[in-house]
Amino acid sequence: QQKVQQSPESLTVSEGAMASLNCTFSDGTSNNFRWYRQHSAKGLEVLVSIFSDGEKEEGRFTAHLNRANLHVSLHIREPQPSDSAVYLCAVSLQGADRLTFGKGTQLIIQP
Amino acid sequence: GPKVLQIPSHQIIDMGQMVTLNCDPVSNHLYFYWYKQILGQQMEFLVNFYNGKVMEKSKLFKDQFSVERPDGSYFTLKIQPTALEDSAVYFCASSPQYSGNTLYFGEGSRLIVV
Repeated sequence: QQKVQQSPESLTVSEGAMASLNCTFSDGTSNNFRWYRQHSAKGLEVLVSIFSDGEKEEGRFTAHLNRANLHVSLHIREPQPSDSAVYLCAVSLQGADRLTFGKGTQLIIQP
Repeated sequence: GPKVLQIPSHQIIDMGQMVTLNCDPVSNHLYFYWYKQILGQQMEFLVNFYNGKVMEKSKLFKDQFSVERPDGSYFTLKIQPTALEDSAVYFCASSPQYSGNTLYFGEGSRLIVV
C-alpha cells in the first residue's frame, strides 16, 4: 500500500525567502505527483503537477521529482504571507486514478 | 479556476440518522470522487464514479455508504445509518478524464455525528 510522508510538519519562513517542502513515497511505479495547498476551511488548490523526473515550474512554484530516490519536493520562490497554508503532496500509481495524500506541511510566511 | 461546490458546508447529525452530502462538479467533467479527512489525519480516497457507476472504492467505503448522480444533477454521498466514526470532512472532486488528470476539489462538507 502506497505511503506518502511529508516533511517538515511545520515550516516558518520569512517573506521573500525560498520555502522548500519535501515528500517521499513508497511505490516506485508511481508516476503522477501533484502539490495542492489548502487555506483554512477552504478547498484544495492545485499548484503544480509533475509526471517525469526533473523540474516543473508553475509561476513561483517549482516541483522537483527524483523517482529513484522516491522523492518529490516543492519550492516556493518569494513567498508572501498569503502563501501561508497547508501544503499537500498527492501521488498516484501509473494508470490508476486514486490519489494518496501526505499529512501536509503547515507553512507560515512571516512578514 | 474550475469550481466544485459542496452543500452543506457543515452538518451535525444524530448517530443512526441518514445524511446526504451534495456536490456540484465542474460542468464538463466526467469523473467524480469523494475523499474523507478525519481531523488531524490525511485525506483518504473513498470512491470514484463514472457514467453512473462506481469504478473503484476503498475499504473506507462501508456498506452504509452510497453514491449517485441522478440525471446530471448533484453527485451525492449518502450515509445510512451514520456512526460516530463517520465524523470527518468529506471532499468532493471532479476531473475531465481518468488517470493523469488534475482533480479539482470542493471546500469540503464537515460532518459531525453525535
